[in-house]
Amino acid sequence: EAQVTQNPRYLITVTGKKLTVTCSQNMNHEYMSWYRQDPGLGLRQIYYSMNVEVTDKGDVPEGYKVSRKEKRNFPLILESPSPNQTSLYFCASSGLQGNVRVNEKLFFGSGTQLSVL
Amino acid sequence: AQKVTQAQTEISVVEKEDVTLDCVYETRDTTYYLFWYKQPPSGELVFLIRRNSFDEQNEISGRYSWNFQKSTSSFNFTITASQVVDSAVYFCALSEVPGGGADGLTFGKGTHLIIQP
Repeated sequence: EAQVTQNPRYLITVTGKKLTVTCSQNMNHEYMSWYRQDPGLGLRQIYYSMNVEVTDKGDVPEGYKVSRKEKRNFPLILESPSPNQTSLYFCASSGLQGNVRVNEKLFFGSGTQLSVL
Repeated sequence: AQKVTQAQTEISVVEKEDVTLDCVYETRDTTYYLFWYKQPPSGELVFLIRRNSFDEQNEISGRYSWNFQKSTSSFNFTITASQVVDSAVYFCALSEVPGGGADGLTFGKGTHLIIQP
Protein backbone atom coordinates (compact mmCIF):
# COMPACT_ATOMS: atom_id res chain seq x y z
CA GLU A 1 0.00 0.00 0.00
CA ALA A 2 1.32 3.42 -1.01
CA GLN A 3 1.77 5.53 2.07
CA VAL A 4 3.67 8.17 3.97
CA THR A 5 4.49 7.06 7.50
CA GLN A 6 5.22 9.47 10.30
CA ASN A 7 6.35 8.61 13.78
CA PRO A 8 5.48 9.19 16.49
CA ARG A 9 1.80 10.04 16.26
CA TYR A 10 1.91 11.94 19.54
CA LEU A 11 4.89 13.43 21.33
CA ILE A 12 5.18 15.42 24.53
CA THR A 13 8.56 16.87 25.39
CA VAL A 14 10.17 19.67 27.36
CA THR A 15 11.84 22.84 26.21
CA GLY A 16 15.35 22.31 24.92
CA LYS A 17 15.29 18.54 24.57
CA LYS A 18 16.28 17.59 21.03
CA LEU A 19 13.79 15.48 19.13
CA THR A 20 13.31 13.95 15.71
CA VAL A 21 10.08 13.20 13.90
CA THR A 22 10.57 10.56 11.26
CA CYS A 23 8.91 10.42 7.86
CA SER A 24 9.17 7.61 5.35
CA GLN A 25 7.46 7.02 2.00
CA ASN A 26 7.32 3.83 -0.04
CA MET A 27 6.41 5.35 -3.41
CA ASN A 28 9.93 6.25 -4.59
CA HIS A 29 8.92 9.91 -4.60
CA GLU A 30 11.56 12.55 -5.21
CA TYR A 31 9.75 15.38 -3.49
CA MET A 32 9.13 15.46 0.25
CA SER A 33 7.95 18.26 2.48
CA TRP A 34 7.06 19.18 6.06
CA TYR A 35 4.11 21.31 7.10
CA ARG A 36 2.88 22.52 10.44
CA GLN A 37 -0.77 23.16 11.20
CA ASP A 38 -1.88 25.71 13.77
CA PRO A 39 -5.40 26.88 14.65
CA GLY A 40 -6.42 29.86 12.60
CA LEU A 41 -3.30 29.66 10.43
CA GLY A 42 -3.93 26.59 8.32
CA LEU A 43 -0.94 24.62 7.07
CA ARG A 44 2.40 26.27 6.49
CA GLN A 45 5.43 24.72 4.84
CA ILE A 46 8.57 24.30 6.96
CA TYR A 47 11.10 22.64 4.62
CA TYR A 48 11.03 20.69 1.42
CA SER A 49 13.36 18.45 -0.53
CA MET A 50 13.46 17.91 -4.28
CA ASN A 51 15.73 14.85 -4.05
CA VAL A 52 18.46 13.20 -2.01
CA GLU A 53 20.79 15.79 -0.46
CA VAL A 54 18.64 18.64 -1.86
CA THR A 55 16.67 20.57 0.75
CA ASP A 56 15.32 24.09 0.97
CA LYS A 57 13.44 26.34 3.35
CA GLY A 58 9.70 26.81 3.22
CA ASP A 59 7.72 29.60 4.82
CA VAL A 60 8.49 28.90 8.50
CA PRO A 61 11.90 27.15 8.77
CA GLU A 62 13.17 28.80 11.96
CA GLY A 63 13.95 26.32 14.71
CA TYR A 64 13.87 23.27 12.43
CA LYS A 65 16.36 21.17 10.52
CA VAL A 66 15.87 18.42 7.98
CA SER A 67 18.02 15.92 6.19
CA ARG A 68 17.58 13.81 3.08
CA LYS A 69 20.26 11.15 3.05
CA GLU A 70 18.00 8.54 1.52
CA LYS A 71 15.19 8.97 -0.95
CA ARG A 72 12.54 7.38 1.24
CA ASN A 73 13.28 9.25 4.49
CA PHE A 74 12.92 12.90 5.42
CA PRO A 75 13.24 13.43 9.19
CA LEU A 76 12.34 16.69 10.88
CA ILE A 77 14.72 17.70 13.64
CA LEU A 78 14.08 20.15 16.45
CA GLU A 79 17.46 20.82 18.05
CA SER A 80 16.08 22.87 20.93
CA PRO A 81 12.27 22.76 20.94
CA SER A 82 10.32 25.67 22.34
CA PRO A 83 6.64 25.95 23.33
CA ASN A 84 5.82 27.91 20.15
CA GLN A 85 6.67 24.76 18.20
CA THR A 86 3.72 22.97 19.76
CA SER A 87 1.75 22.07 16.66
CA LEU A 88 0.40 19.34 14.40
CA TYR A 89 3.04 18.34 11.86
CA PHE A 90 2.50 16.70 8.48
CA CYS A 91 4.96 15.12 6.14
CA ALA A 92 4.06 14.88 2.45
CA SER A 93 5.55 13.43 -0.71
CA SER A 94 5.04 13.57 -4.46
CA GLY A 95 6.69 12.37 -7.65
CA LEU A 96 8.71 14.71 -9.90
CA GLN A 97 9.40 14.93 -13.60
CA GLY A 98 12.28 17.29 -14.11
CA ASN A 99 11.56 20.08 -11.66
CA VAL A 100 7.83 19.77 -11.96
CA ARG A 101 5.72 17.46 -9.89
CA VAL A 102 3.49 15.38 -12.11
CA ASN A 103 1.43 13.60 -9.52
CA GLU A 104 -2.06 14.82 -9.02
CA LYS A 105 -1.61 15.34 -5.36
CA LEU A 106 0.66 15.37 -2.40
CA PHE A 107 0.44 12.24 -0.30
CA PHE A 108 0.25 13.20 3.36
CA GLY A 109 1.24 11.27 6.45
CA SER A 110 -1.19 10.88 9.35
CA GLY A 111 0.34 13.72 11.32
CA THR A 112 2.38 14.12 14.51
CA GLN A 113 0.90 16.08 17.37
CA LEU A 114 3.81 17.68 19.22
CA SER A 115 3.51 19.39 22.58
CA VAL A 116 6.51 21.26 24.00
CA LEU A 117 6.15 22.08 27.69
CA ALA B 1 2.63 35.86 -4.07
CA GLN B 2 -0.17 33.40 -3.97
CA LYS B 3 -2.89 33.50 -1.35
CA VAL B 4 -5.96 31.47 -0.48
CA THR B 5 -8.83 32.87 1.56
CA GLN B 6 -11.49 30.80 3.24
CA ALA B 7 -13.63 33.43 4.86
CA GLN B 8 -15.90 30.99 6.66
CA THR B 9 -14.16 29.89 9.83
CA GLU B 10 -16.99 27.63 10.95
CA ILE B 11 -20.28 26.51 9.45
CA SER B 12 -22.96 24.55 11.26
CA VAL B 13 -25.91 23.00 9.46
CA VAL B 14 -28.46 20.33 10.16
CA GLU B 15 -28.09 16.99 8.45
CA LYS B 16 -29.51 16.78 4.92
CA GLU B 17 -29.06 20.46 4.27
CA ASP B 18 -26.89 21.58 1.38
CA VAL B 19 -23.80 23.57 2.32
CA THR B 20 -21.25 25.54 0.28
CA LEU B 21 -17.71 26.23 1.40
CA ASP B 22 -16.15 29.28 -0.19
CA CYS B 23 -12.59 29.58 -1.47
CA VAL B 24 -11.09 32.68 -3.07
CA TYR B 25 -7.53 32.66 -4.36
CA GLU B 26 -4.91 35.08 -5.63
CA THR B 27 -2.11 34.27 -8.03
CA ARG B 28 -0.13 36.03 -10.73
CA ASP B 29 0.35 32.90 -12.79
CA THR B 30 -1.91 31.95 -15.64
CA THR B 31 -1.29 28.27 -14.97
CA TYR B 32 -2.11 27.04 -11.51
CA TYR B 33 -3.80 24.22 -9.65
CA LEU B 34 -6.48 24.24 -7.00
CA PHE B 35 -7.13 21.57 -4.42
CA TRP B 36 -9.55 20.67 -1.68
CA TYR B 37 -8.53 18.53 1.27
CA LYS B 38 -10.69 17.15 4.07
CA GLN B 39 -9.40 16.77 7.61
CA PRO B 40 -11.75 14.63 9.71
CA PRO B 41 -11.54 14.57 13.52
CA SER B 42 -8.98 11.78 13.30
CA GLY B 43 -6.55 14.36 11.89
CA GLU B 44 -5.32 12.98 8.58
CA LEU B 45 -5.54 14.99 5.37
CA VAL B 46 -7.72 13.43 2.71
CA PHE B 47 -7.35 14.57 -0.89
CA LEU B 48 -10.70 15.45 -2.51
CA ILE B 49 -10.02 17.14 -5.83
CA ARG B 50 -7.41 18.86 -8.00
CA ARG B 51 -8.46 21.34 -10.69
CA ASN B 52 -6.28 22.92 -13.38
CA SER B 53 -6.65 26.61 -14.16
CA PHE B 54 -7.29 25.89 -17.83
CA ASP B 55 -10.22 23.59 -17.09
CA GLU B 56 -13.20 25.55 -15.83
CA GLN B 57 -15.66 22.71 -16.05
CA ASN B 58 -17.51 22.13 -12.83
CA GLU B 59 -17.17 18.70 -11.33
CA ILE B 60 -19.56 16.49 -9.47
CA SER B 61 -18.64 13.43 -7.44
CA GLY B 62 -21.58 11.91 -5.65
CA ARG B 63 -22.82 14.46 -3.12
CA TYR B 64 -19.79 16.67 -3.71
CA SER B 65 -19.54 19.33 -6.39
CA TRP B 66 -17.04 22.04 -7.18
CA ASN B 67 -17.68 25.36 -8.92
CA PHE B 68 -14.56 26.90 -10.44
CA GLN B 69 -14.90 30.48 -11.70
CA LYS B 70 -11.75 32.20 -12.93
CA SER B 71 -13.61 35.49 -13.38
CA THR B 72 -14.09 35.74 -9.62
CA SER B 73 -11.02 33.68 -8.63
CA SER B 74 -13.19 31.28 -6.70
CA PHE B 75 -13.26 27.54 -6.27
CA ASN B 76 -16.27 26.75 -4.11
CA PHE B 77 -17.19 23.36 -2.74
CA THR B 78 -20.78 22.23 -2.22
CA ILE B 79 -21.98 19.23 -0.26
CA THR B 80 -25.51 18.19 -1.12
CA ALA B 81 -27.69 16.44 1.46
CA SER B 82 -25.01 16.70 4.10
CA GLN B 83 -24.35 13.87 6.52
CA VAL B 84 -22.81 13.75 9.96
CA VAL B 85 -19.75 12.01 8.50
CA ASP B 86 -19.07 15.15 6.48
CA SER B 87 -18.15 16.96 9.69
CA ALA B 88 -14.51 17.96 9.28
CA VAL B 89 -12.18 20.84 8.57
CA TYR B 90 -11.93 21.51 4.85
CA PHE B 91 -8.91 23.18 3.30
CA CYS B 92 -8.66 24.85 -0.04
CA ALA B 93 -5.15 25.06 -1.50
CA LEU B 94 -3.36 26.59 -4.48
CA SER B 95 -0.21 25.68 -6.35
CA GLU B 96 1.44 27.09 -9.40
CA VAL B 97 2.87 23.83 -10.70
CA PRO B 98 1.32 20.34 -10.93
CA GLY B 99 1.00 18.47 -7.66
CA GLY B 100 2.19 21.26 -5.43
CA GLY B 101 5.24 23.05 -6.76
CA ALA B 102 8.68 23.47 -5.27
CA ASP B 103 7.21 25.95 -2.83
CA GLY B 104 4.50 23.55 -1.82
CA LEU B 105 0.81 24.12 -1.57
CA THR B 106 -0.51 27.40 -0.22
CA PHE B 107 -3.38 26.50 2.07
CA GLY B 108 -6.32 28.52 3.24
CA LYS B 109 -6.96 28.61 6.96
CA GLY B 110 -9.69 26.03 6.71
CA THR B 111 -13.43 25.91 7.30
CA HIS B 112 -14.72 23.82 10.17
CA LEU B 113 -17.92 22.19 9.01
CA ILE B 114 -20.27 20.82 11.66
CA ILE B 115 -23.18 18.67 10.58
CA GLN B 116 -25.73 18.29 13.34
CA PRO B 117 -27.95 15.22 13.38
